[in-house]
Amino acid sequence: DGGITQSPKYLFRKEGQNVTLSCEQNLNHDAMYWYRQDPGQGLRLIYYSQIVNDFQKGDIAEGYSVSREKKESFPLTVTSAQKNPTAFYLCASSMTVAGAFDEQYFGPGTRLTVT
Amino acid sequence: AQKITQTQPGMFVQEKEAVTLDCTYDTSDQSYGLFWYKQPSSGEMIFLIYQGSYDEQNATEGRYSLNFQKARKSANLVISASQLGDSAMYFCAMRETLSYNQGGKLIFGQGTELSVKP
Repeated sequence: DGGITQSPKYLFRKEGQNVTLSCEQNLNHDAMYWYRQDPGQGLRLIYYSQIVNDFQKGDIAEGYSVSREKKESFPLTVTSAQKNPTAFYLCASSMTVAGAFDEQYFGPGTRLTVT
Repeated sequence: AQKITQTQPGMFVQEKEAVTLDCTYDTSDQSYGLFWYKQPSSGEMIFLIYQGSYDEQNATEGRYSLNFQKARKSANLVISASQLGDSAMYFCAMRETLSYNQGGKLIFGQGTELSVKP
C-alpha cells in the first residue's frame, strides 16, 4: 500500500539533545513537508522540499533542520536551539509544491516530548 | 494575508443527524483550493474533501459535502447522517497557487471538535 510512514510514534528526549524524526513516502511524490501542531491549534509549516537536494524554510524553521537526499525520505532534526520542541509533528507529501489543487497526504505523526 | 477562520471550537450532534462545520477564508488569489481534514484522537490527518476555486458545483464525497459560497468566502463542511466514528477534530485548510518558491503550503484553521452523541 502506498503511503507515508513516520517513526517513532512517541519520542522522549532530554532537553539539550538533538533528535531526528523519520519520514518516508512511497507515493512517488516530489514535494514533502513538515508541520508542527500544538494542542488545540492547527498545523504550522516548518520546512518543505520540492525536489531532492532542495528544501526551503517554512513559517517556523528556527531550531529545526532537514535533509532530502532521496526522493522518498525527508527527515527532520529538532535541535537543542528549538526553545519549545514538545509538540506533535506531521510529515506530508504531494505531487508538486506549487499546484493549489494537489492534495497533501499525511503520515501518522510523531509525538515528541522533551523534558 | 491568507487566513482560515473556524468559529466553532466545539460542536455536538445527535447520531444520524446532519451537521455543518463553518469555515471562512481570506485570500486575494483567484486560484486556490479548499480542503477539509479529519483528525481523530490518534492524530493522523485524514483527507475528506476538496473544492477548487473554479469549480462551479459543490464537492461531494459520500456523506461529506462542501457548501462553497465564493462571494462570501465560505467553505462549510456538511456531514450527513452522523456516525459515532465521526467524533474528531475537523480542520479547514486552503492552498493558493503561489510562486514556486513560496512552498504551496496548506494554511489551516484552528479546528472544530465534533462530538457525536448516541
